[in-house]
Parts: sequence; C-alpha cells; structure tokens
Amino acid sequence: QKEVEQDPGPLSVPEGAIVSLNCTYSNSAFQYFMWYRQYSRKGPELLMYTYSSGNKEDGRFTAQVDKSSKYISLFIRDSQPSDSATYLCAMMDSSYKLIFGSGTRLLVRP
Amino acid sequence: EAGVVQSPRYKIIEKKQPVAFWCNPISGHNTLYWYLQNLGQGPELLIRYENEEAVDDSQLPKDRFSAERLKGVDSTLKIQPAELGDSAVYLCASSLQGYGEQFFGPGTRLTVL
Repeated sequence: QKEVEQDPGPLSVPEGAIVSLNCTYSNSAFQYFMWYRQYSRKGPELLMYTYSSGNKEDGRFTAQVDKSSKYISLFIRDSQPSDSATYLCAMMDSSYKLIFGSGTRLLVRP
Repeated sequence: EAGVVQSPRYKIIEKKQPVAFWCNPISGHNTLYWYLQNLGQGPELLIRYENEEAVDDSQLPKDRFSAERLKGVDSTLKIQPAELGDSAVYLCASSLQGYGEQFFGPGTRLTVL
C-alpha cells in the first residue's frame, strides 16, 4: 500500500464548476501538506501549503486537511480551462522528505 | 528572478550508454533535489543536497546512478550504464531550506532505446 493515495482521474468538468480533488494517507507523522499543479511538459508548481488541520483559502483555491481521517482535499471554485492540468498532493514529515501522490488529471471543458 | 534551469530538456540514448543531466538552482537556495517522475506517477526523491553535502541519497540506485554538487551550486546527475527502465522525466528542484517551498525545473525527459 502506498503512503499517499490519489485517484488518477481523468476528471472532466464544465467551465465554472466546483472541482474537488482528494488524497488519503497512511503515515500519521506527516505534518505538512501541499498541492502542486503540473502542466504538460512542465515541472510541478506549488499551489497551497498547509501545516495543520482545517481550511486555507487562496483566491479560487481552498485546501482542507483532516488529520483525524488522514484525508486532504483541494477545492477549485469557478473552474477555468486554464486550470486543466495534473494536480499532485504531497506530504512531508519532520525529516522534510516530500512524498507525492500519483496525481489527478483535470480537464475543464469550455 | 530566474527559476531552476535544467539541461538538456530531452535526451534519447541507447541502452548501456552513459547520460548526464545538469541543474542550476535558484540563486541563494541551499537545498537541491533530484526527483524521478515516471509516466502517470508523482515525483520520487532520488537525492537531496544541503549545500555540497548529500543528506539523503537512500533512494539513489548507486550501482548506476551518481550525483555531485560542486561548490554548493550547480549539480549533475549521471547514469552509467542506462537501462530501458530508466526512461522517465528527471526533475531538479531547489529550496531556501529543507522545509521550505520547493521550486521545480522543467525536467529532462530521458528515452532509453
């Protein structure tokens, strides 16, 4: 069993929809939780970085962490075609080693 | 500000040949990472440097892979000899410190024939 599980998708939604992306994890030592966006032929870029349980909002993006359930989510409001990419969750423990999920491909249809 | 620079962007070689990838991190970033990303998977750490010192190379296949970071700036990752299963994207990233935001380069896409 992988330490971080993520549905590979693809997830196809119409423009303007609310998108929900999720990851589960098994290692209770993870303290830092991140979401990266990766466009085709590009490197990942950081979208959200959270430390504790709860919600963090940045523009159209909201990251949610539930440590008791070992579950994290990323919500995208008013999704745009430019949001079409692969979204990777990532987690870090006190050793600062980043463990990535396998990524979810998102397609936002105009 | 320039981002993480990697070269070459693409490389095609025959199996058993050597290959090298180069990375120039963001200026002032002490921590440098090399990741391997297979198709449809997330990046997996190969090695992490703090300045010139390799502080985590537990996932680096040392029989064929080697890396160096001279003077704590640029880094080179080498594979010798390459195998078919090494076909993947090799990503370099850097951060100010080990726990900081990691900035990724565009990667080198390696194809081994």
